[in-house]
Amino acid sequence: EAEVAQSPRYKITEKSQAVAFWCDPISGHATLYWYRQILGQGPELLVQFQDESVVDDSQLPKDRFSAERLKGVDSTLKIQPAELGDSAMYLCASSSYPLGAYNEQFFGPGTRLTVL
Amino acid sequence: QQQVKQSPQSLIVQKGGISIINCAYENTAFDYFPWYQQFPGKGPALLIAIRPDVSEKKEGRFTISFNKSAKQFSLHIMDSQPGDSATYFCAASFNQGGKLIFGQGTELSVKP
Repeated sequence: EAEVAQSPRYKITEKSQAVAFWCDPISGHATLYWYRQILGQGPELLVQFQDESVVDDSQLPKDRFSAERLKGVDSTLKIQPAELGDSAMYLCASSSYPLGAYNEQFFGPGTRLTVL
Repeated sequence: QQQVKQSPQSLIVQKGGISIINCAYENTAFDYFPWYQQFPGKGPALLIAIRPDVSEKKEGRFTISFNKSAKQFSLHIMDSQPGDSATYFCAASFNQGGKLIFGQGTELSVKP
C-alpha cells in the first residue's frame, strides 16, 4: 500500500539551530500539505502545494520557516532559527486532488521535533 | 467561523459498547467532513468521511451521522474494542483540495 514517507522521524536540536524535514508523498499525488501538531491538539496547516506551486502559506511563520517542492514531487520544510515553541510533530500529507476522491488526505508518520 | 468544536475531550467505554464523539461547526461553506484515528507517535489515519448531501455513512463498525441544519456531525463506533483505543479527530474543509480544519481531539479508551 502506498504511503507518505517522512524523515527524520525524530529530531532534537538546540534553539537558534537550523532544522530540515523531508517528505515524499504518495506517487502521483499533486497536492502536498505540511501540518504542525502541538501535543494534545489537532494538526494545523502550515503550507499547501499543488505541484510545485504554493497554494496556501498564510499560517507559515515566514520569518523563520520556509518550504519548497522544486520538482513537484518531494518537499522540504526548514526552520531557521529554531525556537523553543517550535517543539511539535510536523506532519506531511498528500492528496490526489485535483484528481481522484474528493479531498482525501493521507498523512505520513511525522517528524517529532524537540527544541532544547 | 472556521473552528470545529469536538467533544468530549476524553471517553472511556467498555469493550463491546458504543463510542460516540461529536463535532460542531459554524461555517456552512464546509463541504467535506472526515474523521481521523491517531495512535501515539503516529500520523493520523483516515477512518471515514462524509459530504453534506448525505445524512449517514457506515463503514464496518464506524458510522458518521450528519445533521446539516444543526451543523453537527458525529462518529459512532459500534462494538468498541481495546484496539480502538486512540485519539480521534474530526475535521472539515470548505473547498476542494483545501486544508483540513481539525477539532481538538478525543482520547478514547476501551476497557476490556
